[in-house]
Amino acid sequence: KAGVTQTPRYLIKTRGQQVTLSCSPISGHRSVSWYQQTPGQGLQFLFEYFSETQRNKGNFPGRFSGRQFSNSRSEMNVSTLELGDSALYLCASTFGDVATEAFFGQGTRLTVV
Amino acid sequence: AQSVTQLGSHVSVSEGALVLLRCNYSSSVPPYLFWYVQYPNQGLQLLLKYTTGATLVKGINGFEAEFKKSETSFHLTKPSAHMSDAAEYFCAVVGNQFYFGTGTSLTVIP
Repeated sequence: KAGVTQTPRYLIKTRGQQVTLSCSPISGHRSVSWYQQTPGQGLQFLFEYFSETQRNKGNFPGRFSGRQFSNSRSEMNVSTLELGDSALYLCASTFGDVATEAFFGQGTRLTVV
Repeated sequence: AQSVTQLGSHVSVSEGALVLLRCNYSSSVPPYLFWYVQYPNQGLQLLLKYTTGATLVKGINGFEAEFKKSETSFHLTKPSAHMSDAAEYFCAVVGNQFYFGTGTSLTVIP
């Protein structure tokens, strides 16, 4: 079956702009989580959506938001981009309980200039 | 609260030598533990996981890990390194989210 699909793979944005990233989970998976990966901070949890509801949230400013649609696809939005938002953004999908295996997409590489 | 600590941000081994990547965890409840591998510009791929049951867990590509509660460890091993094993490895413990370690970069020397 198809894996987790993230689009786009690469993005270059200017400071102050906003960006929307997309994640399509594995068919049948209802939970989608987002992570930010940077060399300095490693992998940091942004938020998790389950059945269109945000179930958990990490310690990121309100500029970072997300949503999940009825087909489980999820989007992540970052407004008023800062240079420090440059990172690899990873999406992970699980069937239900987050304690089960998480399948990761290939990520979206965001560069803010 | 849950967390993991990976000892050694960089590990180098010769091709054919034993691979040992260290991970210690902290968890207030029985932990679910994972090892993931990441190749350059790729996402994370699951190597193996421990939830309950047998403490020696076998994964893909010849890797295995042993859950040792008394040592709060979940070290990853492979008897014989291959060039294709060169990658970044992440240990993780699960609560309401995945808590990842800082990663260990494995270099395999020919």
